[in-house]
Amino acid sequence: QVQLVQSGAEVKKPGASVKVSCKASGYTFTSYGISWVRQAPGQGLEWMGWISAYNGNTNYAQKLQGRVTMTTDTSTSTAYMELRSLRSDDTAVYYCARVGEVGAPMDVWGQGTTVTVSS
Amino acid sequence: SYVLTQPPSVSVAPGKTARITCGGNNIGSKSVHWYQQKPGQAPVLVIYYDSDRPSGIPERFSGSNSGNTATLTISRVEAGDEADYYCQVWDSSSDHPSVVFGGGTKLTVL
Repeated sequence: QVQLVQSGAEVKKPGASVKVSCKASGYTFTSYGISWVRQAPGQGLEWMGWISAYNGNTNYAQKLQGRVTMTTDTSTSTAYMELRSLRSDDTAVYYCARVGEVGAPMDVWGQGTTVTVSS
Repeated sequence: SYVLTQPPSVSVAPGKTARITCGGNNIGSKSVHWYQQKPGQAPVLVIYYDSDRPSGIPERFSGSNSGNTATLTISRVEAGDEADYYCQVWDSSSDHPSVVFGGGTKLTVL
């Protein structure tokens, strides 16, 4: 079955970086893109950006430009999201989700990765 | 940037119909997707492209979109439908399309 499996929880200090992985299975990885969405405690969903697994093209949320990098490894069908210069308000659950082309829905989601930023 | 507005909460009795709105400027010209999120779980797609339903989603879930409002309708509401619901569109007004989520609506089954 189609699924996305994310890496485990992380605890980081302010100023550090975190890299979350998202391993896809059950479909042709390069036929879809991956969006990253985060959710702070008790808050709504916030889109972080999108990467095409076909050609690596990216589109980041303006708010995170310069701090986030999304990549893919097609040999392992894995997507990565790295967030740098972490702050306390980056504490959230981070989700990856499968997306077709621009305009398409996020039809399969990972289980989420909790990232806690605390001194 | 494009803004989607949802009511923070909607309450409905079991067996009745719940309607959750999503307002946006001329949203009828965009495709709207809806997600259900239960506590501690990842979101699940329940309606896509305004009114299509993924396999496995009950027919009780339906969607519409016109003018400045999109609506998710849940008929014959059950206790298991209690969750947060989010609408979502793509904003393609710039060279860099982006995803916009509504603020979410908490559905309470009385």
